Amino acid sequence: DAGVIQSPRHEVTEMGQEVTLRCKPISGHDYLFWYRQTMMRGLELLIYFNNNVPIDDSGMPEDRFSAKMPNASFSTLKIQPSEPRDSAVYFCASSFGGGQADTQYFGPGTRLTVL
Amino acid sequence: AQTVTQSQPEMSVQEAETVTLSCTYDTSESDYYLFWYKQPPSRQMILVIRQEAYKQQNATENRFSVNFQKAAKSFSLKISDSQLGDAAMYFCAYRVGGSEKLVFGKGTKLTVNP
Repeated sequence: DAGVIQSPRHEVTEMGQEVTLRCKPISGHDYLFWYRQTMMRGLELLIYFNNNVPIDDSGMPEDRFSAKMPNASFSTLKIQPSEPRDSAVYFCASSFGGGQADTQYFGPGTRLTVL
Repeated sequence: AQTVTQSQPEMSVQEAETVTLSCTYDTSESDYYLFWYKQPPSRQMILVIRQEAYKQQNATENRFSVNFQKAAKSFSLKISDSQLGDAAMYFCAYRVGGSEKLVFGKGTKLTVNP
């Protein structure tokens, strides 16, 4: 399996622009997670889906952030409008839920820079 | 709220030596899982080892082992025969049973000296 795929790997944009990050989970996995990593706050869970349905979005910082999962093989995280404080590495992860110590497999991340 | 604390921002070890990374967590739950993830400079988060709280036996994966002290809420990672490729950020993480949410510590940067 190719693992979790994220695109783009790097994104540089200007404040106020819309940014869309993309993720393709591992085939067969039914959970998908979006994380944000910054020096100040470390790794934070933003939102996660189960069978394409958002389960917990309590980590989404504000209304400028939105996430969708239109099908089992694709998810997007959108920031509109973007701000410099959104600069971070955004990770997507997926897992096969089963009630045990399910392993989350991470993608390579997207490094976002908002100027 | 559950918290995970890694008290060592940085550690270093000589190649072929053994190093132990510390992690403590705070929870009132009895059913939970603990993980160590490695993040090399490539940024990829890689699972190193995991431990179910209900298991008394410490998990082991080749050169990596944990010392799980449930009463003390401690979950340290021991790396034996350290290799240059072990150099990375190491994150301790916690997940309560029945939930999919992982809570991460702030990480420990491990340097391996040749």
